[in-house]
Amino acid sequence: EVQLVESGGGLVKPGGSLRLSCAASGFTFSIYDMTWVRQAPGKGLEWVSSISSTSTYIYYADSGKGRFTISRDNAKNSLYLQMNSLRAEDTAMYYCARGHNDYHINDYWGQGTLVTVSS
Amino acid sequence: QPVLTQSSSASASLGSSVKLTCTLSGRLSSYIIAWHQQQPGEAPRYLMNLDRRGSYSKGSGVPDRFSGSSSGADRYLTISNLQSEDEAHYYCETWDNNIWVFGGGTKLTVL
Repeated sequence: EVQLVESGGGLVKPGGSLRLSCAASGFTFSIYDMTWVRQAPGKGLEWVSSISSTSTYIYYADSGKGRFTISRDNAKNSLYLQMNSLRAEDTAMYYCARGHNDYHINDYWGQGTLVTVSS
Repeated sequence: QPVLTQSSSASASLGSSVKLTCTLSGRLSSYIIAWHQQQPGEAPRYLMNLDRRGSYSKGSGVPDRFSGSSSGADRYLTISNLQSEDEAHYYCETWDNNIWVFGGGTKLTVL
């Protein structure tokens, strides 16, 4: 069974940093692209960042460029999102998602970790 | 910037059918999409991928009541024999030029 378990969320002050983690199991993590998606309270889904299976290709939404860094450790079956210079508008549930094997869409989701940026 | 357009809300009666629409902007009209369901308080769940010909492949455990179809730039999600647990937000997703995008979501109410 595919499982994605996020952790690392919490309350942080504006300008602070957080590192989110996503532990993957139930599939061969090293051959799948992975993605972070966020959802602000009461809002829709917003793509944050994606990374290819071997970390060769990395992409960011404009909202996180220069502040967020996606990475992965295939030996540990883990995905990460380092978030710096956090703003109130980064407050959201952050989900990790697995890329579909054949298409540039996502086919499994974690349960999410909540990030709250507030003074 | 790719755009996916969804109606903000829809409603249908218990036991009936409903067809939700996701419209792809201009040059994206031939693209494959994904449909995701998000029940209240839950994480999203992948339902299916759907191409421009209306061919779709569902995710693990998705009931037979869920099906997809296409017409031009429109991608449809049809839910038959609506159940109370189908009350949820439904999002479409696609990709273009290394940008992933989601539609604004449709909130489905089961009456």
